Amino acid sequence: QKEVEQNSGPLSVPEGAIASLNCTYSDRGSQSFFWYRQYSGKSPELIMFIYSNGDKEDGRFTAQLNKASQYVSLLIRDSQPSDSATYLCAVEDSGAGSYQLTFGKGTKLSVIP
Amino acid sequence: EAGVAQSPRYKIIEKRQSVAFWCNPISGHATLYWYQQILGQGPKLLIQFQNNGVVDDSQLPKDRFSAERLKGVDSTLKIQPAKLEDSAVYLCASSLVPGYNEQFFGPGTRLTVL
Repeated sequence: QKEVEQNSGPLSVPEGAIASLNCTYSDRGSQSFFWYRQYSGKSPELIMFIYSNGDKEDGRFTAQLNKASQYVSLLIRDSQPSDSATYLCAVEDSGAGSYQLTFGKGTKLSVIP
Repeated sequence: EAGVAQSPRYKIIEKRQSVAFWCNPISGHATLYWYQQILGQGPKLLIQFQNNGVVDDSQLPKDRFSAERLKGVDSTLKIQPAKLEDSAVYLCASSLVPGYNEQFFGPGTRLTVL
């Protein structure tokens, strides 16, 4: 069974700091990786996806992927209180053409003003 | 562009009762997913539809759960009979096509089984 592991937190960072969220996955054949943000009582929304080893930047967010280590991370620069949410790492399984996502349990981030 | 619609938003039932959830995906989205999210967990895929056909239902407890997507648009998920452990948020998501995996999630239905 494919597994996606995340530290459940909570992770607390002061406003303006860098928040670092980490994720490991078990399926070495996984190719696509996604970060979703979920506010309390709300549904997940996509922040970023990454397919290639290395870094991908979008505004204050940077996703990092290391397929050899089966590790993906999300950095949030200049963290804001509005970034306080649970961040879900998801790994795509493209077996049999289904393109399903397996989600981790999520890391709860709290940005302290 | 209208998002994914779900109803009801909340439902409270007693164990052994039945319940149904409805989902209307984003117009034109061929792929529809039902997830179960238990408190403190990530979403778990129950079933995936491509148009009106089932792509994968391997994690659907078929002895009590059923789902359909008639005409390749709206979908319903039913639980009969419900158990206490079915208490969760049921999320519907859709994507344009499989492999373009920005899945757009609906607001979810929070089910409480007493």
